[in-house]
Amino acid sequence: AQSVTQLDSHVSVSEGTPVLLRCNYSSSYSPSLFWYVQHPNKGLQLLLKYTSAATLVKGINGFEAEFKKSETSFHLTKPSAHMSDAAEYFCVVSGNNQGGKLIFGQGTELSVKP
Amino acid sequence: DAGVIQSPRHEVTEMGQEVTLRCKPISGHNSLFWYRQTMMRGLELLIYFNNNVPIDDSGMPEDRFSAKMPNASFSTLKIQPSEPRDSAVYFCATQGGDLNTIYFGEGSWLTVV
Repeated sequence: AQSVTQLDSHVSVSEGTPVLLRCNYSSSYSPSLFWYVQHPNKGLQLLLKYTSAATLVKGINGFEAEFKKSETSFHLTKPSAHMSDAAEYFCVVSGNNQGGKLIFGQGTELSVKP
Repeated sequence: DAGVIQSPRHEVTEMGQEVTLRCKPISGHNSLFWYRQTMMRGLELLIYFNNNVPIDDSGMPEDRFSAKMPNASFSTLKIQPSEPRDSAVYFCATQGGDLNTIYFGEGSWLTVV
């Protein structure tokens, strides 16, 4: 069975400082892992995905995530936060036998202060 | 590509009324998912279809909820009768040739009063 835990429900950073959103996963299979972002009153947009290729994955808007199997983690980072990064971020896992089903974390709300 | 298109974007209805939410998937995508998002429970998968056939509806909360996909370009999620606890954002999402990547619509905001 798959599960995903986002370790922080809310993260607040200042504009121009690094962003770290933490995610741990549990999977009986080789997982596919994703980060989605949801801006207020919008749908979910794919930021990046890991599917057993390179462990460091680069996404849109300067975000990247590193898959660490030994730590069962897939933390999302960005070197320098921008005001437009303020949103809800979801870490997501999908196993190869799940037929495309995604298991969502509870989300981390990112606030960016000027 | 227009993306996943959902309608209505917002709906306010009275308890007991029937609600129908609609989704047009991305052309060529053969899997379609309905999710519900609430503050208390986050994102929940209600049902998903593959090639228009319901594969897993274990997330459908009760018999008041039903979903159909009569063809590859259209799906509906119906609630009858609606209740205030059904107030949520309902997302339709679809998946195509790029396995495991699911694309979401912008959601239908439902308020039942």
